[in-house]
Amino acid sequence: AQKITQTQPGMFVQEKEAVTLDCTYDTSDPSYGLFWYKQPSSGEMIFLIYQGSYDQQNATEGRYSLNFQKARKSANLVISASQLGDSAMYFCAMREGRSNYQLIWGAGTKLIIKP
Amino acid sequence: GAGVSQSPSNKVTEKGKDVELRCDPISGHTALYWYRQSLGQGLEFLIYFQGNSAPDKSGLPSDRFSAERTGGSVSTLTIQRTQQEDSAVYLCASSLVGTGGPTGHGYTFGSGTRLTVV
Repeated sequence: AQKITQTQPGMFVQEKEAVTLDCTYDTSDPSYGLFWYKQPSSGEMIFLIYQGSYDQQNATEGRYSLNFQKARKSANLVISASQLGDSAMYFCAMREGRSNYQLIWGAGTKLIIKP
Repeated sequence: GAGVSQSPSNKVTEKGKDVELRCDPISGHTALYWYRQSLGQGLEFLIYFQGNSAPDKSGLPSDRFSAERTGGSVSTLTIQRTQQEDSAVYLCASSLVGTGGPTGHGYTFGSGTRLTVV
């Protein structure tokens, strides 16, 4: 079974609009962390935001916020006021407590921002 | 250095040849990771180093793959007798501690080596 599922292979969004990228996860470990990374065409993975399984509040980092719904096992990334520079691949990843050095990755969502 | 450096950035090799991919982590980072990213896919874990030792090699896809790390710094991923299915981007990351830290900020990725086996 897939541990990280990103159901949107690609998305087109108008500049300045908000966008939500979906991520669901599957784990039986009570301790885990969820990550979102951005991968522009240059190839490097850029860390965006992190949510720990015991965190009480949804994580926010500037224009990025994570809509964490623990019971539904979802960790959607919300980008407010999208910009042309946000066009990239976006990956959701999970670190489980039992193997706490390894990230498990989704297949990614290609986001294109239209001017 | 300021970031994680990987070389070469691109490598085209003939099927059956051996290749070496290099990763130079951030100075002082004790943990180093190799991942593989096939076209249109997420990253696949290959191996993790803590210092010079590799407590987890479980992700290496076959015995043609090996990796070493010397001096707690530079790491080399070697693929012997390359096959076309080895074509992918190989990404290296490093972190100060093995978990990347409590907030997850701690992983820094390189830009990868794009390997093409023809």
